[in-house]
Amino acid sequence: GEDVEQSLFLSVREGDSSVINCTYTDSSSTYLYWYKQEPGAGLQLLTYIFSNMDMKQDQRLTVLLNKKDKHLSLRIADTQTGDSAIYFCAEGFNKFYFGSGTKLNVKP
Amino acid sequence: ETGVTQSPTHLIKTRGQQVTLRCSSQSGHNTVSWYQQALGQGPQFIFQYYREEENGRGNFPPRFSGLQFPNYSSELNVNALELDDSALYLCASSLEGTRNNEQFFGPGTRLTVL
Repeated sequence: GEDVEQSLFLSVREGDSSVINCTYTDSSSTYLYWYKQEPGAGLQLLTYIFSNMDMKQDQRLTVLLNKKDKHLSLRIADTQTGDSAIYFCAEGFNKFYFGSGTKLNVKP
Repeated sequence: ETGVTQSPTHLIKTRGQQVTLRCSSQSGHNTVSWYQQALGQGPQFIFQYYREEENGRGNFPPRFSGLQFPNYSSELNVNALELDDSALYLCASSLEGTRNNEQFFGPGTRLTVL
């Protein structure tokens, strides 16, 4: 579970959808998580998905899980400038393994 | 409900010194985990404490040690500081046995080693 990979940067225009992708390695992970980190701040849990689910929707957020390919994605609908931050996917249970984070830049 | 707090916010030390970072867990939580986040990287798991006992450790040398107190607050101690120890140190508290084991993160302590 130590190789969680994400693309480093994503730039979108305000109002567009953002899709942040992640690949993970531990097929036994029960839950997979998305965290948001704003400059100078700690991590804020955005959403999580149980490993036996394919999709979870939570207001503007949609998480898709492809367990066969060990691929997780986070879609943010109607992206706002306030969504600009670094987004981390994480797997694990007691100890979490994080990706390096995707920096989302939202242009007005 | 009080969130996770950490102190100090920032700290500057020199190589070879020792440092103690502190964390107060969210009310009702009995588990605390510590992470190191180097600049531009994701957090890396250092160790976890549950009911005052170490409950798992990541790939960090023994000079990284910790304590959890009966009130579930916690300390991270780092001896013989090295330049590469410069990072944001995050603690996260959780309640063992919850369904998704959600971890609540504090704002972190920024450690600079000169």
